Amino acid sequence: RKEVEQDPGPFNVPEGATVAFNCTYSNSASQSFFWYRQDCRKEPKLLMSVYSSGNEDGRFTAQLNRASQYISLLIRDSKLSDSATYLCVVLNAGGTSYGKLTFGQGTILTVHP
Amino acid sequence: EAQVTQNPRYLITVTGKKLTVTCSQNMNHEYMSWYRQDPGLGLRQIYYSMNVEVTDKGDVPEGYKVSRKEKRNFPLILESPSPNQTSLYFCASSFVQGYGYTFGSGTRLTVV
Repeated sequence: RKEVEQDPGPFNVPEGATVAFNCTYSNSASQSFFWYRQDCRKEPKLLMSVYSSGNEDGRFTAQLNRASQYISLLIRDSKLSDSATYLCVVLNAGGTSYGKLTFGQGTILTVHP
Repeated sequence: EAQVTQNPRYLITVTGKKLTVTCSQNMNHEYMSWYRQDPGLGLRQIYYSMNVEVTDKGDVPEGYKVSRKEKRNFPLILESPSPNQTSLYFCASSFVQGYGYTFGSGTRLTVV
């Protein structure tokens, strides 16, 4: 089982749609969680951290369920510029993997006019 | 401008010819790391460094070497490249391990 699993998509949505991505992680000792965004052939960039109580940044909302080891990202009112790959990232806190970031393989989003 | 600089951006080489990919950051970050990204596999960590002269293996270190003689530089060395090392490589740095990574622009390496 992969440490971090995402639905690779692709998700094709029209402008203005709401889209949600899910991610599960296997290491219960995981400490912190992030969503990164990666444009085609470019470097990943931090989109937002994910807090236990859930957090929002403009049109983006991230949720964490530690009991189910599940993370989500919701994008409202999608824009063409949201087209990218979204990476779920987990920071491990236990054992030999302490401090290690593990990346999911990414979910591809395409927003069309 | 705060950044991580990788060179070269693109490289085509032949099997067995030693090469170095350079990585430099100007943010005084202590933590640096190398990843490779392959389709369907995501980003996998090759090596990381928590400070000068402190390096350790990541998930896929075979065939790679690194050094950290200065805080700002963290070169990736392929002593004898093979075609299975064809990949997109990223260097990253952060002030605190795991948080606020800044990535370089990537190096697309092809080994023929």
